[in-house]
Amino acid sequence: TQLLEQSPQFLSIQEGENLTVYCNSSSVFSSLQWYRQEPGEGPVLLVTVVTGGEVKKLKRLTFQFGDARKDSSLHITAAQPGDTGLYLCAGMEAGTALIFGKGTTLSVSS
Amino acid sequence: GAVVSQHPSRVICKSGTSVKIECRSLDFQATTMFWYRQFPKQSLMLMATSNEGSKATYEQGVEKDKFLINHASLTLSTLTVTSAHPEDSSFYICSARDASGGRNTIYFGEGSWLTVV
Repeated sequence: TQLLEQSPQFLSIQEGENLTVYCNSSSVFSSLQWYRQEPGEGPVLLVTVVTGGEVKKLKRLTFQFGDARKDSSLHITAAQPGDTGLYLCAGMEAGTALIFGKGTTLSVSS
Repeated sequence: GAVVSQHPSRVICKSGTSVKIECRSLDFQATTMFWYRQFPKQSLMLMATSNEGSKATYEQGVEKDKFLINHASLTLSTLTVTSAHPEDSSFYICSARDASGGRNTIYFGEGSWLTVV
């Protein structure tokens, strides 16, 4: 069974600070996705990375996929209270289900 | 864009009864759907892979006789929690794969809250 280790599990920061969430695995994934989830709702896709070494930016969010396609990171610049939520990384082998990391609960206070 | 719909969004049932949750792909055909379970402040745990026209594939530790999955059409998969107990109370989320036209995109439903009393 593929495992995704996500860290940190909990993060509480002040508005304006930067943060990085890590997602690591011993397995190679054909693609890796980052989601954000609000309580009581389904996860919402933020980004999909497929190429080793790939970097994608979504406003203040920067996503990196490791060269070996085994790890990824999410960096948030100048965090805002609206960024509060559960962030999930998920990896997928071709034709299989998405396997999720344990998630990072982010709390940004003003 | 593609939408996956779950119903009901919230359900309360008595202990010992069964409850069915539906997952529908609204504008694409999904030969494969997935069922996840999520406890509060935890991540999504894959329960089973639902394949249209064949038996579901269950993850280790998931009781197939308790969590019945039926994927009778290309747009509908159902999860039935049989003889529900309070420990089955959880957030259940489905996802569906759109593999048309060379795509390999997974879309998530809105989730269903199950409370067993």
